[in-house]
Amino acid sequence: EIVLTQSPGTLSLSPGERATLSCRASQSVSSSYLAWYQQKPGQAPRLLIYGASSRATGIPDRFSGSGSGTDFTLTISRLEPEDFAVYYCQQYGSSLYSFGQGTKLEIK
Amino acid sequence: QVQLQESGPGLVKPSETLSLTCTVSGGSINNYYWSWIRQPPGKGLEWIGYMYYSGGTNYNPSLKSRVTISVDTSKNQFSLKLSSVTAADTAVYYCARITGTVWFDPWGQGTLVTVSS
Repeated sequence: EIVLTQSPGTLSLSPGERATLSCRASQSVSSSYLAWYQQKPGQAPRLLIYGASSRATGIPDRFSGSGSGTDFTLTISRLEPEDFAVYYCQQYGSSLYSFGQGTKLEIK
Repeated sequence: QVQLQESGPGLVKPSETLSLTCTVSGGSINNYYWSWIRQPPGKGLEWIGYMYYSGGTNYNPSLKSRVTISVDTSKNQFSLKLSSVTAADTAVYYCARITGTVWFDPWGQGTLVTVSS
């Protein structure tokens, strides 16, 4: 079973700043099989990025994903007030799915 | 636009079976994989299992002995049963469509199930 570890646990930034969130896998993950989600309080998660770097429909271009192998990154180029939320990475492998524990992005 | 809606009891007694249904609207359940995911209060997401519309299933190894996911294509619904529940099974339960084999989109709004006597 592949374990995903996200860092940092909490990231405190101000609107307009750049956010860099990390997701590290316990073994290599195909780039095609890595996704990122955003979750706001009281809401279901929303797909942001799939295939490590492709934005889902309607996702602003300030969100970007990158990485390969065991190290993946979600970058938000200029934080908007609505971007403060919890972010999860997720992988698929051997017919099983798993999520990272999440990174909380909070307003500084 | 496909939408998913979970339904079922919000309170289940310890040792009993949790049963939830996900109704798919705005599209067919056919030709897709469908999944259940849960989130304990204040914690992260845990994948429970999936099934294909024609009946194939796969479950999280940590829950496999207690989980059954089934589908009713005539009603455009799929269901979750989790047996022998304990307080540790208290969570918001989400249903979701699996797209591209890999990612979950869209999701239902989620339903809170509390396990308590």
